[in-house]
Amino acid sequence: DSGVTQTPKHLITATGQRVTLRCSPRSGDLSVYWYQQSLDQGLQFLIQYYNGEERAKGNILERFSAQQFPDLHSELNLSSLELGDSALYFCASSVGTSGAYQETQYFGPGTRLLVL
Amino acid sequence: GDSVTQMEGPVTLSEEAFLTINCTYTATGYPSLFWYVQYPGEGLQLLLKATKADDKGSNKGFEATYRKETTSFHLEKGSVQVSDSAVYFCALSLMNSGYSTLTFGKGTMLLVSP
Repeated sequence: DSGVTQTPKHLITATGQRVTLRCSPRSGDLSVYWYQQSLDQGLQFLIQYYNGEERAKGNILERFSAQQFPDLHSELNLSSLELGDSALYFCASSVGTSGAYQETQYFGPGTRLLVL
Repeated sequence: GDSVTQMEGPVTLSEEAFLTINCTYTATGYPSLFWYVQYPGEGLQLLLKATKADDKGSNKGFEATYRKETTSFHLEKGSVQVSDSAVYFCALSLMNSGYSTLTFGKGTMLLVSP
């Protein structure tokens, strides 16, 4: 158990809908990272938040957005969903802001999203 | 851009066999290199890492050496167990303006039979 929790575990929805994925980092970790894992694209970094502020951006679509709240939990919002958004979405956390180069990222179990 | 290439799986081995999973990278600069493991139904766990050339990362019997001259970071284990069955991801990270992100390979599934 990494200490990172994600809800829900599974999500089934329809095209055009909007969903919210939630992540609680390990106690004491200030950074949260979101990743998407799909069969065709593999595992891709989406976005990082540190202590409530956006820190780094990866291959995140404009239809997707995220935020980190004062209690440090984070939400990833996916809107106008398409079939191709079906994937496993991981959240990770680390203590500081410098990312994987100097710190270990701890991953949650993921949320599996299926868009029908 | 930065990228990681690892051998396609699945790699199928018998228990106690020797394991090698190849990983090569392309990066502008001097990355840190990682191996992550994903067991069925779980998130990724850091297995080992190396931060500079010729460093050897090791954990749980797994080893990988950072080879700058061949831009490689191959994962090895002398004797695999059934419990090692999982998906293994090679990844790199570079610093950029005070932050860094992970770039992953596609993953290699390892299946170990008794």
